[in-house]
Amino acid sequence: AQTVTQSQPEMSVQEAETVTLSCTYDTSESDYYLFWYKQPPSRQMILVIRQEAYKQQNATENRFSVNFQKAAKSFSLKISDSQLGDAAMYFCAYYSGGGADGLTFGKGTHLIIQP
Amino acid sequence: NAGVTQTPKFQVLKTGQSMTLQCAQDMNHEYMSWYRQDPGMGLRLIHYSVGAGITDQGEVPNGYNVSRSTTEDFPLRLLSAAPSQTSVYFCASSRQGGYGYTFGSGTRLTVV
Repeated sequence: AQTVTQSQPEMSVQEAETVTLSCTYDTSESDYYLFWYKQPPSRQMILVIRQEAYKQQNATENRFSVNFQKAAKSFSLKISDSQLGDAAMYFCAYYSGGGADGLTFGKGTHLIIQP
Repeated sequence: NAGVTQTPKFQVLKTGQSMTLQCAQDMNHEYMSWYRQDPGMGLRLIHYSVGAGITDQGEVPNGYNVSRSTTEDFPLRLLSAAPSQTSVYFCASSRQGGYGYTFGSGTRLTVV
């Protein structure tokens, strides 16, 4: 079974600085997808960024970018110019469709933005 | 543009009671799934469906039933509620899993 590990239960960053959240995963599949979801205090799950494993180019969405290292099975999220609205739980998630057709999540990282 | 709608948002049940959590999507997505979120555990897959009439178990299916009679609806049934089922439940849908899932706003369930 696939597993997703987020080793940082909590991270703190100053407003306007850059922060990187770590994620590693374990899989025997060659074709899969990786995601970062944001969960603010409202509880809503919001898709931040998506990466296709067969694409070597790292995905970017405005201030959010990933560092995808397929051989190392690593998928980190970089948030540039951190804003107060970025404060939330961030979950790394994996999907392959080769097994259960749903997402496998890490346990999350609580991101605190210091003003 | 409703997306994924879950009802109710909050529910308190007594041990042994049954209930159905409703989930509906208006995006014509084939893929739907249910998750539970417990403190420190992330989200875990309960059941999923890849189309009307097709359902299967996820990581933590015990105590829950699902059915998918239409593309739009994917209800989750608790057969006999237990305190261990106290959690926040999320329904999600996708046109295909690799595109990412759209989530509902969740149901906070407390079993006393």
